[in-house]
Formats: sequence, C-alpha cells, structure tokens
Amino acid sequence: DAGVTQSPTHLIKTRGQQVTLRCSPKSGHDTVSWYQQALGQGPQFIFQYYEEEERQRGNFPDRFSGHQFPNYSSELNVNALLLGDSALYLCASGDRGLGNTIYFGEGSWLTVV
Amino acid sequence: DAKTTQPTSMDCAEGRAANLPCNHSTISGNEYVYWYRQIHSQGPQYIIHGLKNNETNEMASLIITEDRKSSTLILPHATLRDTAVYYCIVRDGSGNTGKLIFGQGTTLQVKP
Repeated sequence: DAGVTQSPTHLIKTRGQQVTLRCSPKSGHDTVSWYQQALGQGPQFIFQYYEEEERQRGNFPDRFSGHQFPNYSSELNVNALLLGDSALYLCASGDRGLGNTIYFGEGSWLTVV
Repeated sequence: DAKTTQPTSMDCAEGRAANLPCNHSTISGNEYVYWYRQIHSQGPQYIIHGLKNNETNEMASLIITEDRKSSTLILPHATLRDTAVYYCIVRDGSGNTGKLIFGQGTTLQVKP
C-alpha cells in the first residue's frame, strides 16, 4: 500500500460531460501529480501541484484542470469529455526533498461513451 | 521523450534472479535512476532509485555503472507475482519536479 488514495475507482461518463477525480496524498507528502494512462501505453504526465498552485504541465489541453487544497489533497477536472479521454488516471505524491520518492495510487478508470 | 532504453520483453524462471537492463547514456549529473513496475490494471509501484552508488532494499538491488550510462535492476529470487511491466526512468532529483517520463518499459514474464 503506497498510501495514496484515489476516488472513484471506476466511472462511466457520456461525451461532452465533465468529470472530477480526487486524490489524497501519502501522509507527509505535499506535492501531487496527475497522469493519464491509455490502454497499452505508459503513463503520461498531466500536471503537478504544490503550495496549491499548478507548477508543471504536460502536453494536455486546458480542458484538463486541477486544484490542490490546503490539506494537500487534489482534484483533477476534465471538461467536454471526448471518447479519447477514456483511460486510467493516476495520482502520484511526493515530498520536495532531494532525490525524493514518488508514490502512485491505484488510479481511477474513466470510460467515456 | 523518455531518456532510457529498455528491452521490450524478458523471461525469467521462477526462483532465479531477474536482471533487467536499462541504458541512459544522456543522463545528467543531477538525475537519478528510478525503477517502477506495473502489474496489469494497477498503479505503478515504486521499487528503488539511486544516483551513483548501488542500492539495495527489500524488493531489489540497483546496480549503476561507474559512468552512469546504464543500470541493472536485480530481483534476486523472482516469483510469479513479479510478472509485470518494469519502467526505468531518469529524473531530476529535485523534489520540485514531479514529472516522470515513462517509456514502453520491459515486460518481465516469470515462468514456473
């Protein structure tokens, strides 16, 4: 158990809808990153949050947005869902020490129909 | 793009050591080598990481060459539960950089 919890584990949405995924980082961690993993591919970095701000962003459209709360938990929001957004969404947490370890949650499976 | 090169697949007999190679010839001085594995439909599991020295923990050993251009992950006594995709990643060790760039990884099949 990596200590990173995500919810929901599975969900189905319709094209054009919006979805919110949630993540609680491992105790003692203050950074949260989100990844998208399509079937058969490696995880792709979406963005990272710490101190309640987006700090780094991967090559994803601004339909993908996030938020970090004062307790370090985070949300990933995806608007105007497309069929291609169907994927496993992973949350990862870490502290900001040099050579830190990043731990992943079990992910949220999103299916867009 | 990923900065590492790994074989696409490998087999290992149960109970034997599994040695997974990784090339990272363009690694920078401040970049660490990280290993994760992913069992089907689960989140990536952290295994081990290192900068220069060899590292060992309860899961595996990491051997980094002196020039740091390649490394080997060793699972000393592979079991069927070690069947997974193994990712070798080089990453700036600064804690402010959370980005991990995953390549295709090595699919390790442990056989009875």
